[in-house]
Amino acid sequence: NAGVTQTPKFQVLKTGQSMTLQCAQDMNHEYMSWYRQDPGMGLRLIHYSVGAGITDQGEVPNGYNVSRSTTEDFPLRLLSAAPSQTSVYFCASSRGLHEQYFGPGTRLTVT
Amino acid sequence: GDSVTQMEGPVTLSEEAFLTINCTYTATGYPSLFWYVQYPGEGLQLLLKATKADDKGSNKGFEATYRKETTSFHLEKGSVQVSDSAVYFCALSGAPRNQGGKLIFGQGTELSVKP
Repeated sequence: NAGVTQTPKFQVLKTGQSMTLQCAQDMNHEYMSWYRQDPGMGLRLIHYSVGAGITDQGEVPNGYNVSRSTTEDFPLRLLSAAPSQTSVYFCASSRGLHEQYFGPGTRLTVT
Repeated sequence: GDSVTQMEGPVTLSEEAFLTINCTYTATGYPSLFWYVQYPGEGLQLLLKATKADDKGSNKGFEATYRKETTSFHLEKGSVQVSDSAVYFCALSGAPRNQGGKLIFGQGTELSVKP
């Protein structure tokens, strides 16, 4: 199993550009989540999904969209990038209620 | 709302020293508690967990006991190694099943172990 994969590893955007961060898992997990990691703030939940076709907002959803058309994939879309979205983004998945498996992260810089 | 507070880092220790990283939480109900570890350039990995009061989670020489009376889940290791250098995150999950097991993280504590 590859586990949770994320692409790209690094990305630089200009303010106002849009892009999609990809996340896929091959463990047949129903739960998937997106977090952002900022210095001194731990990880904060952006959006999550409890199954295909079901998504909901987390703590910091503004400026991001998600969809879950399949169990395996959970892409995160930045609609109009802003410097405040410079961060490291982690995707995670889990089968049960609690233990989450994390991807390697995408480091995004918005100039 | 629910929250997690960790001791601030960075923490610098010599090899074979004793490690304690403090973690306290605020939550309604009965959360599950976790320690995750992040090695440089990698994602987070689950280190250990405890799902009810007085449970002790342990893994790779690390231990943490779920203390409901003090709302704490301190991470300890008796003898650290250089390879333990990483960032450690305390987290809780009290969400019901239909909220996807959302995790709430502390701010992380960076540990550096010198030979």
